[in-house]
Amino acid sequence: EDQVTQSPEALRLQEGESSSLNCSYTVSGLRGLFWYRQDPGKGPEFLFTLYSAGEEKEKERLKATLTKKESFLHITAPKPEDSATYLCAVQAGMEYGNKLVFGAGTILRVKS
Amino acid sequence: SQTIHQWPATLVQPVGSPLSLECTVEGTSNPNLYWYRQAAGRGLQLLFYSVGIGQISSEVPQNLSASRPQDRQFILSSKKLLLSDSGFYLCAWVGREGRSGGQETQYFGPGTRLLVL
Repeated sequence: EDQVTQSPEALRLQEGESSSLNCSYTVSGLRGLFWYRQDPGKGPEFLFTLYSAGEEKEKERLKATLTKKESFLHITAPKPEDSATYLCAVQAGMEYGNKLVFGAGTILRVKS
Repeated sequence: SQTIHQWPATLVQPVGSPLSLECTVEGTSNPNLYWYRQAAGRGLQLLFYSVGIGQISSEVPQNLSASRPQDRQFILSSKKLLLSDSGFYLCAWVGREGRSGGQETQYFGPGTRLLVL
């Protein structure tokens, strides 16, 4: 069964304090790994898709990387507006319908 | 550009009452559509997905059902709500990443907060 585990469950950072979020996965043939940002009471907002080990993508203060077993979301010099829940999801195998399996998320709080 | 709508935004219903949540997508045709539920502090659980009108696949057996009466409309229903049906319901569609037609990815609507009392 495909599984996605995110750690830590919650992370508190001071403004400017860089850190990383982890997403480890067990799937039968990874087709894509997705990162989303979710603000309270809102739908997830798409950030990145990674497809193969060694791939990296950046957007402002965020950088996502992928290995064969896990992905990291690096946050450089975070600001309070980066506070949100970050969700990781995988699309696996050749299943019909582009289905995603999500992790439980990491709640990030950045204090000024 | 494509947009996805969900309504209502918030709903409070008594146990045993019926439910109908609606999702519509604009600016695309024949999208794959998905219903997820998100319980407090937990990840998204896929409930149903549809690859076309009248085509529904169920991922989790429960007292919910889904229908797709039109190409860009996806409805989540229940005949009798349970307390455990409370949660945040999200609709999503598959689109292309980026303006130039990149890889397919799921984009989410604003969600419906359901509280069953």
